[in-house]
Amino acid sequence: GDSVTQTEGLVTVTEGLPVKLNCTYQTTYLTIAFFWYVQYLNEAPQVLLKSSTDNKRTEHQGFHATLHKSSSSFHLQKSSAQLSDSALYYCALSHSNTNKVVFGTGTRLQVLP
Amino acid sequence: DAGVTQTPRHEVAEKGQTIILKCEPVSGHNDLFWYRQTKIQGLELLSYFRSKSLMEDGGAFKDRFKAEMLNSSFSTLKIQPTEPKDSAVYLCASSWDWGYYAEQFFGPGTRLTVL
Repeated sequence: GDSVTQTEGLVTVTEGLPVKLNCTYQTTYLTIAFFWYVQYLNEAPQVLLKSSTDNKRTEHQGFHATLHKSSSSFHLQKSSAQLSDSALYYCALSHSNTNKVVFGTGTRLQVLP
Repeated sequence: DAGVTQTPRHEVAEKGQTIILKCEPVSGHNDLFWYRQTKIQGLELLSYFRSKSLMEDGGAFKDRFKAEMLNSSFSTLKIQPTEPKDSAVYLCASSWDWGYYAEQFFGPGTRLTVL
């Protein structure tokens, strides 16, 4: 079946420094979409980015991600982390046969002053 | 537009009790999802409805978890009987049936504590 792997449970970074959250996947489907959801403390998860186009950079709120089917990855990056970026981030996959989404286990980003 | 609403926000139950969680999806959304969220497992799918039809019932959660869509704008999740291991946040989400590129909109969740 489909799977999404987020290898880091916690990423800690100093404010102003770059940050990268890793996301890799396994699927047999060719038509796929990827999402990054962000969940701030005591709030509901909400979509941050989404993409279905191979090798195309997607940006929102200073974050960017590029779907690379060749390496089965959709890493999330930001050039300068802000204190307000501290949250739980989920990577998620869906494919053309379903609206169901497979989520990774989540990465907690902690930005320190 | 109103987002996804969930009630109650917090629930405390004794082991063996029956509890019912409620969800109202975004108006016009045809897909509805129930998830359990824990720190260890992250988001686990419990049930998935499309236009009120049950598409998936979450495999391992079938025996004590039952989700229903009474109409297109209201869903319930019943846990019977509850066990301490059910303590978690239960999230409801909805989306348009645009296919695989449709994002899900989440409710604020119900935090369940089973004693």
